[in-house]
Amino acid sequence: SQTIHQWPATLVQPVGSPLSLECTVEGTSNPNLYWYRQAAGRGLQLLFYSVGIGQISSEVPQNLSASRPQDRQFILSSKKLLLSDSGFYLCAWSGTGVTEAFFGQGTRLTVV
Amino acid sequence: GESVGLHLPTLSVQEGDNSIINCAYSNSASDYFIWYKQESGKGPQFIIDIRSNMDKRQGQRVTVLLNKTVKHLSLQIAATQPGDSAVYFCAENTSGTYKYIFGTGTRLKVLA
Repeated sequence: SQTIHQWPATLVQPVGSPLSLECTVEGTSNPNLYWYRQAAGRGLQLLFYSVGIGQISSEVPQNLSASRPQDRQFILSSKKLLLSDSGFYLCAWSGTGVTEAFFGQGTRLTVV
Repeated sequence: GESVGLHLPTLSVQEGDNSIINCAYSNSASDYFIWYKQESGKGPQFIIDIRSNMDKRQGQRVTVLLNKTVKHLSLQIAATQPGDSAVYFCAENTSGTYKYIFGTGTRLKVLA
């Protein structure tokens, strides 16, 4: 069966520090991969999605970037964090065709 | 477009009553819709989905209704239980776009 792993679960980082969040998927090949951000008590905002290795689509201009170095690995990065980058970051994957997306357990990032 | 930046509306229901959660979607070209349940501090979990060639789909204790004329989606939960307390999101997808766009979300509170 397919599983998605996202880490770390929580992270506290100072303003101006770098960020690297990692997400990996097991049990499937060539998944579509997604990064979402969720502010406290709010909806999910799509940040990036990828349909293949090295293919990244950005949905909103921001202080973050994404990379997909391997088929089932998706990384969210920042060179210098801002206070406004705080939030709950969710990685997700979907298969080919019309199908639901499956989410990881999320990373709660607090920038101080 | 995405319904982000809005605080979550809340629906309070008595245990054992039926719940109806509504969602207005934005893109008339969307042809696949999903309901997710998100418990505090966790990633969204798939509940039920429906394709645009249907107007109703039933699962275990849940029913999704789709009205394409007014771009409206609803989730009905029968005999609501305390474990149903969570935030519920609808998501829309258009074939070939790979993106899942989420609605604002509704917080369901089950009263004992």
